[in-house]
Amino acid sequence: EIVLTQSPSTLSLSPGERATLSCRASQSVGSSYLAWFQQKPGQAPRLLIYGSSSRATGIPDRFSGSGSGTDFTLTINRLEPEDFAFYFCQHYGASPYTFGQGTKVEIK
Amino acid sequence: QVHLVQSGAEVKKPGSSVKVSCKASGGTFSSDSLNWVRQAPGQGPEWMGRILPILDVANYAQKFLGRVTITADKSTGTAYMDLSSLRSDDTAVYYCARGPNSRLDFWGQGTLVIVSS
Repeated sequence: EIVLTQSPSTLSLSPGERATLSCRASQSVGSSYLAWFQQKPGQAPRLLIYGSSSRATGIPDRFSGSGSGTDFTLTINRLEPEDFAFYFCQHYGASPYTFGQGTKVEIK
Repeated sequence: QVHLVQSGAEVKKPGSSVKVSCKASGGTFSSDSLNWVRQAPGQGPEWMGRILPILDVANYAQKFLGRVTITADKSTGTAYMDLSSLRSDDTAVYYCARGPNSRLDFWGQGTLVIVSS
């Protein structure tokens, strides 16, 4: 099974700053099957990015994804107050579709 | 717009089973995959398995083989996840999630399952 390792575990930033989140896979995922999710307390995860770099419907363009192979990045430009949350990466190319352990983006 | 509505919270004894339902509306139920993901308190999500209703074929994460069964009723647009031999570490929020090619575009609201004696 592919293990996804996210870093950092916590990111402390101020509104308006840029957040850069990393997701590293234990083996190649390919670029087509890597997704990023946002989750707030008490809510289900929400799909932000699929196929490594495609934004899901309704996701603001301050969210962007990049990467291929084993290294992927989620960038959030100009953090808004509602962006402070947990973020998970996930691959869905081959079963089992594992998730990373998450990065918490918190207000500094 | 796709909407997934799950059944309510459950409290179960160790060794028993739980069956969670997920009713879909909107979109095309049969053509998307319907996945089950769980999340233990303070942990990241964990994919359990999926079903392709159009083929009525399910596959499962190795960890859950023999304990989980995922089924789908195309006539009602409802999927089910049955987990047996429950243990305390099965306490979690269980989500259904749907999308093309196992992409998790849309999620249910989650069902809390508590396993306690």
